[in-house]
Amino acid sequence: DGGITQSPKYLFRKEGQNVTLSCEQNLNHDAMYWYRQDPGQGLRLIYYSQIVNDFQKGDIAEGYSVSREKKESFPLTVTSAQKNPTAFYLCASSTSGRSDNEQFFGPGTRLTVL
Amino acid sequence: ILNVEQSPQSLHVQEGDSTNFTCSFPSSNFYALHWYRWETAKSPEALFVMTLNGDEKKKGRISATLNTKEGYSYLYIKGSQPEDSATYLCALPGSARQLTFGSGTQLTVLP
Repeated sequence: DGGITQSPKYLFRKEGQNVTLSCEQNLNHDAMYWYRQDPGQGLRLIYYSQIVNDFQKGDIAEGYSVSREKKESFPLTVTSAQKNPTAFYLCASSTSGRSDNEQFFGPGTRLTVL
Repeated sequence: ILNVEQSPQSLHVQEGDSTNFTCSFPSSNFYALHWYRWETAKSPEALFVMTLNGDEKKKGRISATLNTKEGYSYLYIKGSQPEDSATYLCALPGSARQLTFGSGTQLTVLP
């Protein structure tokens, strides 16, 4: 079955630690995205990548980093510089970066900073 | 940042009722509008992508209309069922053509 997988489902981190969230897709999509959801807010774009070896900052990139070394993988690192990292993180992909392409979402990772 | 507003924030209806909710957006520089359904414990899934003023799309009991000149889209659900309970998200590309999401309408269909 084609789809997007994210791991882990739940993640706990101590303050001051970096953590990496995994996102893998086997849909052969060029574009991939990371969103963050906080209670009462819409999904906010952290980073996106329209093609391998290229990525761009979204609206709330501070304190995060990404890489796109392979088409199917787009890991997100939450660094200690992120002031309020506790949130729900969603990864998505689309055929291309065109704005009329629907996005396909993974199941999400809930990160809690202790 | 593009301002995408959805109303109402939450909605409770009885099984069998028809319902609708709204997505409002700036009417200038329109490219596309997306509707997603997000059920609890599942991933958001696309319902519709609409690109033309006057577009109407339908999937089963769910339909959507688009008015780009006045900056709104309506999502309609006919004869709501408990399985329609979900958060419905609207999104449009803003700066850099990347999607900006509204905060969603949370629908609960009571049996």
